[in-house]
Amino acid sequence: KNQVEQSPQSLIILEGKNCTLQCNYTVSPFSNLRWYKQDTGRGPVSLTIMTFSENTKSNGRYTATLDADTKQSSLHITASQLSDSASYICVVSGTTDSWGKLQFGAGTQVVVTP
Amino acid sequence: GAGVSQSPSNKVTEKGKDVELRCDPISGHTALYWYRQSLGQGLEFLIYFQGNSAPDKSGLPSDRFSAERTGGSVSTLTIQRTQQEDSAVYLCASSLGGGSSSYEQYFGPGTRLTVT
Repeated sequence: KNQVEQSPQSLIILEGKNCTLQCNYTVSPFSNLRWYKQDTGRGPVSLTIMTFSENTKSNGRYTATLDADTKQSSLHITASQLSDSASYICVVSGTTDSWGKLQFGAGTQVVVTP
Repeated sequence: GAGVSQSPSNKVTEKGKDVELRCDPISGHTALYWYRQSLGQGLEFLIYFQGNSAPDKSGLPSDRFSAERTGGSVSTLTIQRTQQEDSAVYLCASSLGGGSSSYEQYFGPGTRLTVT
């Protein structure tokens, strides 16, 4: 069973609107959580990284939150732009792997329409 | 500076043929990773190289899959006797160091493999 679950699987939003993506994980013990953006035909690019002691981190119009107690994270996109159309992937690392192996969610496909 | 590059960008092969996928990591990065991304699935770890240490091959799905990293730089992923279920995007990533998830992984654009 995947240790990182994301929702929704996909969503369509109007340009200029906000949206929030969810990530639930079971990886334990927990080391850090990342959000990646993957444009079509490209490799994933890191947006944010948070350790267990951080509960929010921003990168421009992207804000990630983390609740390590409930093992939930969210990624909020403010004032969406057409260029935000991409897959957003939640990635969690535990502390039991000797080299910090990453566990990837399946991603949320975001489509921003004019 | 140059990022991670992969070649070819697309590969179509017949079932049963062997294929080689190449990854050029960022210069100076000691750690290199291969992942597979199937449609609608999360990235699946395949293999991890760190410096001169023995690679972590625990993610390779079968003995048809193998990978090498020559001179601590370029890596080649080889799939022998390809099957249709091998069709996927194969992503390579590199990081400045290994042994810790705090090192940022930088991904290449991937190679889309289609087995007909």
